Amino acid sequence: KQEVTQIPAALSVPEGENLVLNCSFTDSAIYNLQWFRQDPGKGLTSLLLIQSSQREQTSGRLNASLDKSSGRSTLYIAASQPGDSATYLCAGENSGGSNYKLTFGKGTLLTVNP
Amino acid sequence: ETGVTQSPTHLIKTRGQQVTLRCSSQSGHNTVSWYQQALGQGPQFIFQYYREEENGRGNFPPRFSGLQFPNYSSELNVNALELDDSALYLCASSLTAGGRSEFFGPGTRLTVL
Repeated sequence: KQEVTQIPAALSVPEGENLVLNCSFTDSAIYNLQWFRQDPGKGLTSLLLIQSSQREQTSGRLNASLDKSSGRSTLYIAASQPGDSATYLCAGENSGGSNYKLTFGKGTLLTVNP
Repeated sequence: ETGVTQSPTHLIKTRGQQVTLRCSSQSGHNTVSWYQQALGQGPQFIFQYYREEENGRGNFPPRFSGLQFPNYSSELNVNALELDDSALYLCASSLTAGGRSEFFGPGTRLTVL
């Protein structure tokens, strides 16, 4: 059974700082690893998806890495902005037989202060 | 191309009642998954529908049931509501059931009193 843990649970940084969010998972047989953003009371926005054969993905100021052997992924945010304030969720996608399902961590609540 | 939509946005029910939540998948997507997100928690997988058939289920009791229609839209039905069913219910669609990126709707906030 896949379990996903995210550290820290909450993070507060000044604007402009670079930061790293951590995600660990127990089952290395993941199909892919996704990072999502969630604004309060809203749905999820996919930020980056890393296939199991890949090591990292980049989009703008975001860079996500995946190390299957150690069961870890990181999301790096460069030059943080107040608009980056949100909850960031990571999710591992595993095969459950005929279907693939996402297992989520509890998220990291990020606050970027102006 | 339209995104994933869900209705209603918010819903208030009392214990013991039944509720139906609806989801329209993204154009061209034949797979829909439902997730429950309690306050302060990550989303939990409820079940998935692929081409109108249930295609996997998480650790939820049978009073959580679903349907997928020929146009690939979907319903989540919850019977005998309990207080702990209060949560944000998220629907996600994907191109196939085979490990493709899921696109999430805005969710339905259910409050059970």
